[in-house]
Amino acid sequence: EAEVAQSPRYKITEKSQAVAFWCDPISGHATLYWYRQILGQGPELLVQFQDESVVDDSQLPKDRFSAERLKGVDSTLKIQPAELGDSAMYLCASSLGTSGSTDTQYFGPGTRLTVL
Amino acid sequence: AQSVAQPEDQVNVAEGNPLTVKCTYSVSGNPYLFWYVQYPNRGLQFLLKYITGDNLVKGSYGFEAEFNKSQTSFHLKKPSALVSDSALYFCAKDNQGGKLIFGQGTELSVKP
Repeated sequence: EAEVAQSPRYKITEKSQAVAFWCDPISGHATLYWYRQILGQGPELLVQFQDESVVDDSQLPKDRFSAERLKGVDSTLKIQPAELGDSAMYLCASSLGTSGSTDTQYFGPGTRLTVL
Repeated sequence: AQSVAQPEDQVNVAEGNPLTVKCTYSVSGNPYLFWYVQYPNRGLQFLLKYITGDNLVKGSYGFEAEFNKSQTSFHLKKPSALVSDSALYFCAKDNQGGKLIFGQGTELSVKP
């Protein structure tokens, strides 16, 4: 069964350092999402891609966060510099259809970030 | 603003008993509703969704959910709970264009 891949699974960094997370969606999925899940809360959308284009990044803290999906397949989420409040689980999800569809989103295992 | 509420932080049931995890949502147009389950340090696994049609939706692992438009609810149910069902459950609503709005989550604990 196809799955969303993410790496690394765990990342510990010191504040002010740069970190990067990678996601490989299910093959053929046009839409890719990055969510942030703070402990004890539900995930919140950071950015949504349709192929290589950003559809929604309204909740992405653009002063320190950036995301790209250059070839419309895998994606990288970067934080620079990391702050203590960035400690969270970062989840990647993908769905088959175009933005605006009601296709199911399938999630990867996540990257647990700890900022010291 | 769109919202999803899960009024119970934790639900405790005995193995073999029926379980219900509650979810209510804010009204706007036709709601598209989802249930996901999360095991410790893992991503979310899709259980089921309601788009349109029959109000009773059947999903994975014996779970089902009942859509109730008048009560704006989408409660998750299972006739007979297993210890392995113990996990964190999230209800979500498709806001628009695929953006999911999640509830706070409900911790389900099933005791033998």
